[in-house]
This record gives sequence, structure tokens and C-alpha cells, in this order.
Amino acid sequence: QKEVEQDPGPLSVPEGAIVSLNCTYSNSAFQYFMWYRQYSRKGPELLMYTYSSGNKEDGRFTAQVDKSSKYISLFIRDSQPSDSATYLCANTRSNDYKLSFGAGTTVTVRA
Amino acid sequence: NAGVMQNPRHLVRRRGQEARLRCSPMKGHSHVYWYRQLPEEGLKFMVYLQKENIIDESGMPKERFSAEFPKEGPSILRIQQVVRGDSAAYFCASSRTRQGSSSYNEQFFGPGTRLTVL
Repeated sequence: QKEVEQDPGPLSVPEGAIVSLNCTYSNSAFQYFMWYRQYSRKGPELLMYTYSSGNKEDGRFTAQVDKSSKYISLFIRDSQPSDSATYLCANTRSNDYKLSFGAGTTVTVRA
Repeated sequence: NAGVMQNPRHLVRRRGQEARLRCSPMKGHSHVYWYRQLPEEGLKFMVYLQKENIIDESGMPKERFSAEFPKEGPSILRIQQVVRGDSAAYFCASSRTRQGSSSYNEQFFGPGTRLTVL
């Protein structure tokens, strides 16, 4: 079983729609939950991270973590064509440096 | 402030040749991590280095792969006698400090080196 499972997509939405991305994980020791965005042929860049359970909002982006169900979500409101990218969820434990990544979901926002 | 730099961006090798991938961390960062991304799979941790030290190479294949981070110069990931299964994108990341318990120590990623083995 993979440590982090992510809906493979691809996902295609019209501009202005809400994008919903999800991951599940198996390691209950994970404490940090990250979302990275990766444009084509580029390296991943950190969008936001959450510590333990709860919600975190940053502009049009909202991350949710439910540790009881080992479920992670990212919502993008008012999606823009510039949001078209692959979104990677990643987790790690406290005091750890190894990031465990999902395979990524490719999102296309149509103008 | 330049980000993490990797070169070459694309590398083509024939089976049996050697591949050398280079990574220069962000200014002020002394921790370097290498990850490999196979098609349709997530990034997988390979190795964690500090200057002149390999801290954790638990994700490295036991044979043909090695990494170093010398006192001067970039970190090098070396793959000897490449095989087709080594074809992947190799990403380097760097951080200022090691991950602590009270906050997330962001790893900044380079653009990757895409290795193709013919």
C-alpha cells in the first residue's frame, strides 16, 4: 500500500469553478501536510502546509486535514487558467525530512 | 536571490554509461535532498546530505547510485552503468535547516534533471 494516495485525474474545469483535490494517507505518524504545485517541466513549489488536523486558508486556496480519517483536501476557489498545473500532496512527520508524495493530480482550467 | 539550480536540465545516456546530475542549493541552505519521480508516480526520497556528509541514503538503490555534497561546489548524484529503468526526473531540494518539531522547514525544489536512457 502506498503511503499517500491521490486521485489521479486529470481534472478539467471552466474558469471560475471550484477545484477540489483529495489525498489519503496511511501513516498515522504524519503531522505536516503540504500541497505543492508543479507546472509542466518545472520543480514543485510549496502552496501551503497544515500542521495536524484543521483548515487553513490562503487567498483562493483552502487546505483541510482530517487526521481521524487520514484525508487531505485542497480547494481552489474562482479558479483561473494560471492555476492549470499538477498538484501534489505531501506529508511528513515531525522531526523528519523525508517527504512522502502523492502521484499528483493534473488540473486544467479552461478560459 | 537565485533558487535551487540543477544541471543539466535534460540528459540522454545510452545503457551502460554514467550519468552525473548536479545541484546547487539556494544561498544560505546547507541541507540537500534528492528525489526521483518516475512516470505516473510521486516523488520518492533518495538521499539527504549536508556538506561533506551523507545523512540518510535509505532511498538510494544499493548499487550504481551514489551522492556527494563536497565542501566546495554543487551536490552530485551519480548513476553508473545506467539502465532504461533509471529514466526519470531527478529533483534536488534544499532547506536552511533540518526539519524540526515545531514548524515546517520548507524544502525548495529545483527544476529537475530529466534523464533518458536509450
